[in-house]
Amino acid sequence: DSGVTQTPKHLITATGQRVTLRCSPRSGDLSVYWYQQSLDQGLQFLIQYYNGEERAKGNILERFSAQQFPDLHSELNLSSLELGDSALYFCASSPGGTDTQYFGPGTRLTVL
Amino acid sequence: QKEVEQDPGPLSVPEGAIVSLNCTYSNSAFQYFMWYRQYSRKGPELLMYTYSSGNKEDGRFTAQVDKSSKYISLFIRDSQPSDSATYLCAMGIAGGTSYGKLTFGQGTILTVHP
Repeated sequence: DSGVTQTPKHLITATGQRVTLRCSPRSGDLSVYWYQQSLDQGLQFLIQYYNGEERAKGNILERFSAQQFPDLHSELNLSSLELGDSALYFCASSPGGTDTQYFGPGTRLTVL
Repeated sequence: QKEVEQDPGPLSVPEGAIVSLNCTYSNSAFQYFMWYRQYSRKGPELLMYTYSSGNKEDGRFTAQVDKSSKYISLFIRDSQPSDSATYLCAMGIAGGTSYGKLTFGQGTILTVHP
């Protein structure tokens, strides 16, 4: 158990809908990272927050957004969902900005 | 061309074998390197973290980095059936706009059979 928690574990929704994925980092970690894992693209970095501020951005779609709250938990919002958004979404956390990243168990999103 | 290339395998070895997993990369700006293990339907689990060229050993695992050749390896000695998983290499840059971002290889599927 990495100490990173993610909810929900599974999410099934329809195209065009909006969902919110939640992540709680390890105690004391200031950085939260979001990744998307699909069979064809592998594990892709989406976005990083450090102590509430956006720090780095990957190839995150405009339909996706994230934020980190004062208690350091983070949410990833996915809107106007498409079939191709079906994937595993992982959250990771680290103490600082470039330390080793510890991954949560993931949220499996299925868009029908 | 992908920034990080990793042979997806699958790789099948008998119990007790030495396993060698490799990644090559094209971006010379990568400064730190990690290996993760991922069991089916689970999150990646950190195995090794290295910041410089050379070898780093932890139990049955040895990570090797050759920055001049842009090549990293993970060796597993005395492999066990419980080592059966997907192994992912990951790399990062310690500054600039890519601060904190890890770039992953595709992962190598390893099966260790009794």
